[in-house]
Amino acid sequence: DTAVSQTPKYLVTQMGNDKSIKCEQNLGHDTMYWYKQDSKKFLKIMFSYNNKELIINETVPNRFSPKSPDKAHLNLHINSLELGDSAVYFCASSRGTSGGGSDTQYFGPGTRLTVL
Amino acid sequence: AQSVTQPDIHITVSEGASLELRCNYSYGATPYLFWYVQSPGQGLQLLLKYFSGDTLVQGIKGFEAEFKRSQSSFNLRKPSVHWSDAAEYFCAVGEWTGNKLVFGAGTILRVKS
Repeated sequence: DTAVSQTPKYLVTQMGNDKSIKCEQNLGHDTMYWYKQDSKKFLKIMFSYNNKELIINETVPNRFSPKSPDKAHLNLHINSLELGDSAVYFCASSRGTSGGGSDTQYFGPGTRLTVL
Repeated sequence: AQSVTQPDIHITVSEGASLELRCNYSYGATPYLFWYVQSPGQGLQLLLKYFSGDTLVQGIKGFEAEFKRSQSSFNLRKPSVHWSDAAEYFCAVGEWTGNKLVFGAGTILRVKS
């Protein structure tokens, strides 16, 4: 009964490839997020969706494209992978009803992407 | 812009000793503050959060944090550390726009026996 799940857990690929990471939440939440954790463990928001609508796009290269087929899923597709894309990507979800920064976010286990 | 500073990159404490992890924030309004813990190879788990009211908040695993507006701080404490507390701890502030979390750089806690 995992709350926020991500697949795959590990992803190793070559530069220039295209890859996707999937995220699913079974909490009934309306809002989902993608965060990137770099090699120095710094966590930064990339995107958020509320009821399948893009809310935050935090100056991420357009090689990154989130897709939300329904409010329980938020996938991240990355085109033309670069060495600098190597990181851990975390999906999160929240109820999305509080707003104003008070919504508690629940995180998935992360996907470690390594670009060779 | 909102920011969170965790001044200590690494902290080492003996098992059974008390712990305090520092967090300072910069935010124009009443902040919503969170502490998360990340064990090696794991995702982030919420320890506790402050929204309003009592400035001393209790969390899971015996942790507590105190919000001090005058010092713009939200320090995490535990009276007696267990070896299983070894992990990385992140302080975050919830931003009004888009409800995103702005994280500090994290503090790695090592527990020596």
